[in-house]
Amino acid sequence: GDSVTQMEGPVTLSEEAFLTINCTYTATGYPSLFWYVQYPGEGLQLLLKATKADDKGSNKGFEATYRKETTSFHLEKGSVQVSDSAVYFCALSDPGGYGNKLVFGAGTILRVKS
Amino acid sequence: DAGVIQSPRHEVTEMGQEVTLRCKPISGHDYLFWYRQTMMRGLELLIYFNNNVPIDDSGMPEDRFSAKMPNASFSTLKIQPSEPRDSAVYFCASSLYASGANVLTFGAGSRLTVL
Repeated sequence: GDSVTQMEGPVTLSEEAFLTINCTYTATGYPSLFWYVQYPGEGLQLLLKATKADDKGSNKGFEATYRKETTSFHLEKGSVQVSDSAVYFCALSDPGGYGNKLVFGAGTILRVKS
Repeated sequence: DAGVIQSPRHEVTEMGQEVTLRCKPISGHDYLFWYRQTMMRGLELLIYFNNNVPIDDSGMPEDRFSAKMPNASFSTLKIQPSEPRDSAVYFCASSLYASGANVLTFGAGSRLTVL
């Protein structure tokens, strides 16, 4: 079945460091890809998305490019802030499924130190 | 819109008791999802509805779990009887298919502790 694999955390960085969180996927067909973020005590919220190969999603300084040839959607940010500390989830839409069903990765905890 | 509203935010109960979690989706959204989050298993999709009709309940762990959506503005997830292994954060999410690309809006979650 469809699945998403993320790098294990926690990832601990100093403020202004470069961030990469790896995400690879397995899917039949052509899924849409997403990054969701969960701040402490809150629900998940959409960070960015890409709907087809070579698309780049971006938001709040975060970017991810849909790479069909490597089945990857790595999340990057050039300079992290303490306020970016959260859990980041990579997800794909189920292209063979019905409607809006999403499959999530396990999540990667990011801790940014000042 | 106030977003997806879940209640209660926290519930502590004893094993064997019935638990009911509630969700009010965003007005106009036509999909509603129930997810469970634990440290061991991450985010698991339990069930989802389209236009109030259950589409896929294959993630519901056991017959002790049931979910209903009597109308477009309300859904419940019920556990009866509850067990300690049901302790988790339960999220409700909703989406509008016409908006494209499966953008889910999540509620703040209901943290369930079964003693």
